[in-house]
Amino acid sequence: SAVISQKPSRDICQRGTSLTIQCQVDSQVTMMFWYRQQPGQSLTLIATANQGSEATYESGFVIDKFPISRPNLTFSTLTVSNMSPEDSSIYLCSVALRNRNTEAFFGQGTRLTVV
Amino acid sequence: KNEVEQSPQNLTAQEGEFITINCSYSVGISALHWLQQHPGGGIVSLFMLSSGKKKHGRLIATINIQEKHSSLHITASHPRDSAVYICAVRWSYSGGGADGLTFGKGTHLIIQP
Repeated sequence: SAVISQKPSRDICQRGTSLTIQCQVDSQVTMMFWYRQQPGQSLTLIATANQGSEATYESGFVIDKFPISRPNLTFSTLTVSNMSPEDSSIYLCSVALRNRNTEAFFGQGTRLTVV
Repeated sequence: KNEVEQSPQNLTAQEGEFITINCSYSVGISALHWLQQHPGGGIVSLFMLSSGKKKHGRLIATINIQEKHSSLHITASHPRDSAVYICAVRWSYSGGGADGLTFGKGTHLIIQP
């Protein structure tokens, strides 16, 4: 299994600012993912965080808005840049130990409110 | 577009009741996850199954591959079971994004004392 520590758990931010969310895993994992959950909606995959290289973004998400780092196999960050109220969501980190066919583990989530 | 449908969307029950949450999907899958999301947003993986039935404490998950349907049951429900329960599937074909998962919108469960 994997234990994920995600920080911060919640934040209230001013529009136009940026917030960086951290995801720390207690063991080395192959795959790390970032999700967004808008109010009343299901989870949507933002990107796959690739160790040592640029993240792979899903359709509708771009690096300028959601820059992602993954310096090693246990840590990743997601930044929500130039925030607007539409960015108010829960952001979640998830990992798969070996590949996408193995069990998924999720972080505690970051509840972001942009005012 | 392949979809995951959950029912009911909202469920309020009394403590002690037997709870059933349903998940239906449109095409073949290789695995199905049941997840529990607490009010703060954090998600816990309850089950991952590809056939049959799994049990953990008061929770039971079943899946019928032929009917493309899964159920999550909670026996002797308790107020601490109040949460959003999410079904997520991994399609048999290599679709659904890099993580291979498509999520339902969730069932909001409230257990009243």
